[in-house]
Amino acid sequence: GQQLNQSPQSMFIQEGEDVSMNCTSSSIFNTWLWYKQDPGEGPVLLIALYKAGELTSNGRLTAQFGTTRKDSFLNISASIPSDVGIYFCAGRNVHFNKFYFGSGTKLNVKP
Amino acid sequence: GAVVSQHPSWVICKSGTSVKIECRSLDFQATTMFWYRQFPKQSLMLMATSNEGSKATYEQGVEKDKFLINHASLTLSTLTVTSAHPEDSSFYICSASLHRGGDLNTEAFFGQGTRLTVV
Repeated sequence: GQQLNQSPQSMFIQEGEDVSMNCTSSSIFNTWLWYKQDPGEGPVLLIALYKAGELTSNGRLTAQFGTTRKDSFLNISASIPSDVGIYFCAGRNVHFNKFYFGSGTKLNVKP
Repeated sequence: GAVVSQHPSWVICKSGTSVKIECRSLDFQATTMFWYRQFPKQSLMLMATSNEGSKATYEQGVEKDKFLINHASLTLSTLTVTSAHPEDSSFYICSASLHRGGDLNTEAFFGQGTRLTVV
């Protein structure tokens, strides 16, 4: 199956700092999605990307669809304690009608 | 919009019994729904793809007779864990696909998840 490598696995940062995480795939995707999951909850969609090179923001979050279509990154600016959680990337190729998920990045924010 | 509701949010059952989990898209129609299993501190593992009106497509290693999936309408898919055993205890999550402007622009929205404990 498709392989998605997400890094880093975990991050410990101070409140106010910026955060960056990324995903790379072994093959081309047509869609990249970024999710946040809180403990005991389902993932919540943060940003959806559909075009290579696309840069999309959602508040303090910014994500980009890599030009090679094999990678994507998510930036969080001026982190706050409620940003704590696990962030997942997901990719989809139209030829395979399913989403593949990265292994997740656990974000810890120290007040 | 794009709300997916999963029920129940948690369930405890005895070993050998069956448990049904429902996944509903509340404000959109979903021709495709997905069922995932998530182990503690791990990513989501796709179990099967559920297509309305047809048989589900199971991922390799997932027993279709163990995890029965029914997608009888465009807003409802169910997962039944049959003859549950303690090793089936896990967090099960569904998602529903929403196509925005064609097949290329597709997003997946998740239910709240179901914590299954088999005793």
